[in-house]
Amino acid sequence: LAKTTQPISMDSYEGQEVNITCSHNNIATNDYITWYQQFPSQGPRFIIQGYKTKVTNEVASLFIPADRKSSTLSLPRVSLSDTAVYYCLVGPGGGSQGNLIFGKGTKLSVKP
Amino acid sequence: SQTIHQWPATLVQPVGSPLSLECTVEGTSNPNLYWYRQAAGRGLQLLFYSVGIGQISSEVPQNLSASRPQDRQFILSSKKLLLSDSGFYLCAWSVQWGFEEAGELFFGEGSRLTVL
Repeated sequence: LAKTTQPISMDSYEGQEVNITCSHNNIATNDYITWYQQFPSQGPRFIIQGYKTKVTNEVASLFIPADRKSSTLSLPRVSLSDTAVYYCLVGPGGGSQGNLIFGKGTKLSVKP
Repeated sequence: SQTIHQWPATLVQPVGSPLSLECTVEGTSNPNLYWYRQAAGRGLQLLFYSVGIGQISSEVPQNLSASRPQDRQFILSSKKLLLSDSGFYLCAWSVQWGFEEAGELFFGEGSRLTVL
């Protein structure tokens, strides 16, 4: 199973763009990369998922280089409400079912 | 629409007492089901996952067990709780995904267990 490594914490200010990078050196061919956001005392919530190149939705962008050994979650113009823990999750696609293991996450603190 | 519920929301139990946390999913069939635990200030630890009735895979050997008596019901149990079992327990489900996607996890509200 591909392990993930993220920075433990990051600080930012309102209105800035935040980029959180996740390393997954032993990602498998059929693994997808998914990012979740978690607020205190709540379950994580899906943000974005990708396999390669770039994916964008209404809340974030996900950049994945050609070797797929890392990925970067980009949050444009963060606000105080984006203060949360962000998890990078690498898990099997391709019809495989099974365990989905989270890393330790990155605690993002957005300041006014 | 699909919903997931877990209960109880809060539980305070003495060391050595039994535990039963229940999770139910509605609005979908044959989901993958998961139990995670989050200790204070820590990340999410996968405890068990299930791809079908009676099929349980354990990720971490410990004094907890899981059962899936019905398609959309997932139960986490312990015969004798330890202090280290304290934490925030999260149930999650996902669809059984196809070949060009990977599953999105949908989490319940969580159950906070304090073992004294």
